[in-house]
Amino acid sequence: QVQLQESGPGLVKPSQTLSLTCTVSGDSIISGGYFWSWIRQHPGKGLEWIGYIYYGGSAYYNPSLKSRVIISMDTSKNQFSLQLNSVTAADTAVYYCTRGDFKERFDYWGQGTLVTVSS
Amino acid sequence: QSVLTQPPSASGTPGQRVTISCSGGGANIGSNYVYWYQQLTRTAPKLLIYRSNQRPSGVPDRFSGSKSGTSASLAISGLRSEDEADYFCAAWDDSLGGVLFGGGTKVTVL
Repeated sequence: QVQLQESGPGLVKPSQTLSLTCTVSGDSIISGGYFWSWIRQHPGKGLEWIGYIYYGGSAYYNPSLKSRVIISMDTSKNQFSLQLNSVTAADTAVYYCTRGDFKERFDYWGQGTLVTVSS
Repeated sequence: QSVLTQPPSASGTPGQRVTISCSGGGANIGSNYVYWYQQLTRTAPKLLIYRSNQRPSGVPDRFSGSKSGTSASLAISGLRSEDEADYFCAAWDDSLGGVLFGGGTKVTVL
């Protein structure tokens, strides 16, 4: 059974970098041609796609966030990560990591982690 | 950023059929598959429908999806109390070059 678990600081100061890691179990992130994505949900609101990294290592980002986002993978730890630079209060959200076999199909989700941007 | 438009709410009594619409455009729903996700309170979303009308294993056949032109729908037949949740549509947008989600529809079982 594939499981994903997000981890990282729950509080980030404005202008700093938000860094989250997704640890995957039950599957290898470099097998099977899957898309490993990050999605966020602002409090009480809808979902926003942040971007994905493909099993081969190429990443693709939401154009509205592209200038501030990096998604990378650490194959030795079976993890992939999200970095979001220059955060503001508008980046406060629950962040989910997901796996899908198509770029818009998200089959497996982590439980989500709340990141608050505040001084 | 939602270019996919959903009604904010829908409701029905147990056993009724509820339909949720998702309206988009030629670059998203008109050109690509639609996906539906169910989010129960305080949980991660769950894939409900893929490729516009396919159900993953384990999803009851009470849930069905359809697509016509630039709009899609999710139907829940035989509504049950456990169906009370938020439902989101999603599609790839060729102009944006990314995944779009609808704003979500909260389904209430009366």
